[in-house]
Amino acid sequence: ETGVTQSPTHLIKTRGQQVTLRCSSQSGHNTVSWYQQALGQGPQFIFQYYREEENGRGNFPPRFSGLQFPNYSSELNVNALELDDSALYLCASSPGLADFTGELFFGEGSRLTVL
Amino acid sequence: GEDVEQSLFLSVREGDSSVINCTYTDSSSTYLYWYKQEPGAGLQLLTYIFSNMDMKQDQRLTVLLNKKDKHLSLRIADTQTGDSAIYFCAESAKYSSASKIIFGSGTRLSIRP
Repeated sequence: ETGVTQSPTHLIKTRGQQVTLRCSSQSGHNTVSWYQQALGQGPQFIFQYYREEENGRGNFPPRFSGLQFPNYSSELNVNALELDDSALYLCASSPGLADFTGELFFGEGSRLTVL
Repeated sequence: GEDVEQSLFLSVREGDSSVINCTYTDSSSTYLYWYKQEPGAGLQLLTYIFSNMDMKQDQRLTVLLNKKDKHLSLRIADTQTGDSAIYFCAESAKYSSASKIIFGSGTRLSIRP
């Protein structure tokens, strides 16, 4: 069973640039959630994708967008990067909404630094 | 609103019990969780408790839920150096049709010899 993998693990961007982060969900999982974890904070919900559609969104501006592909992998895109976007971005997959107990399977994250 | 609060730091001696406390605000939460994050790693679910339960025990871990006070605690018996990590309390929440998890800021547990 392959776990959740994310790429890249680290990256540095400058203000105003755009970034794409990628996530492969765990085998058999059709739901992917993205979280932002700022230094010293808990993860904050960005959005969730279920069967290729956005299924709910947290308090993040529209410049945060995402995609889910037929194989349930996912991308997080952030446009017009700001300094405050510097954080660890975590992808988590889960088996599906019907049997959701809240067990999220997290990847190790992509650490984004915006200069 | 949704909010989960927990103390930031806890230091215990190796072999003692660790107790990490948390308060939450959403009384409609179906599940409450404890996640563990080790340095440089993603989060890992340690245990969860259904909201109609008072206690759950799993080997060295004991979770206590006081629904009236919206208080959740995690007790780790016989704390070992490998238990050093950040522990996140979390609650389930519905947001539109999504089932999302609301996390606290985490409690950093350090073990002293």
